[in-house]
Amino acid sequence: NAGVTQTPKFQVLKTGQSMTLQCAQDMNHNSMYWYRQDPGMGLRLIYYSASEGTTDKGEVPNGYNVSRLNKREFSLRLESAAPSQTSVYFCASSESSASSNQPQHFGDGTRLSIL
Amino acid sequence: LAKTTQPISMDSYEGQEVNITCSHNNIATNDYITWYQQFPSQGPRFIIQGYKTKVTNEVASLFIPADRKSSTLSLPRVSLSDTAVYYCLVVRSNDYKLSFGAGTTVTVRA
Repeated sequence: NAGVTQTPKFQVLKTGQSMTLQCAQDMNHNSMYWYRQDPGMGLRLIYYSASEGTTDKGEVPNGYNVSRLNKREFSLRLESAAPSQTSVYFCASSESSASSNQPQHFGDGTRLSIL
Repeated sequence: LAKTTQPISMDSYEGQEVNITCSHNNIATNDYITWYQQFPSQGPRFIIQGYKTKVTNEVASLFIPADRKSSTLSLPRVSLSDTAVYYCLVVRSNDYKLSFGAGTTVTVRA
């Protein structure tokens, strides 16, 4: 009963390096999300995918790209990492984002440090 | 987006009831109020969700007054394991974008 699985759990990068964070869900959910969490700021939405084949920007999309590879997988890419992107990244999924009463299920995060 | 306001922190003792109130003055007619719990080094976990009046599950109760401009999460008889950050979330019915605030850090002491 895995739910939402994120890889890797930890990563250290140098400024300018690229990196892809992987996320997979086994709940047959239609919608998937990427958030970042910084101290004292709660979670902020980076990108989301309402359904397979669609992606849209969230609150803080700059410096990131996403790919909804299939219904199960949603990846987040940093093309040229910057120290400001040091954060904990969470992936989430929900049955549908078309209705506001669909709770999101979260993975346990990827802790990313950029030097 | 309906902005939410909740206390930064609350302290309690084992066996007590903890009530966390969240303000959401701009909530729209079809929006739901959702609460999440987060432990260190884990992702947020869904606790409870409601639209109006009262909702209760095995973990908590959610009280929503008629004007829906606020809501109160009630945790009965807390234990040390309830120490966590609790987030109040209002989700717009016509917009997929979600916004988590800084949350309320609840510390339960023995």
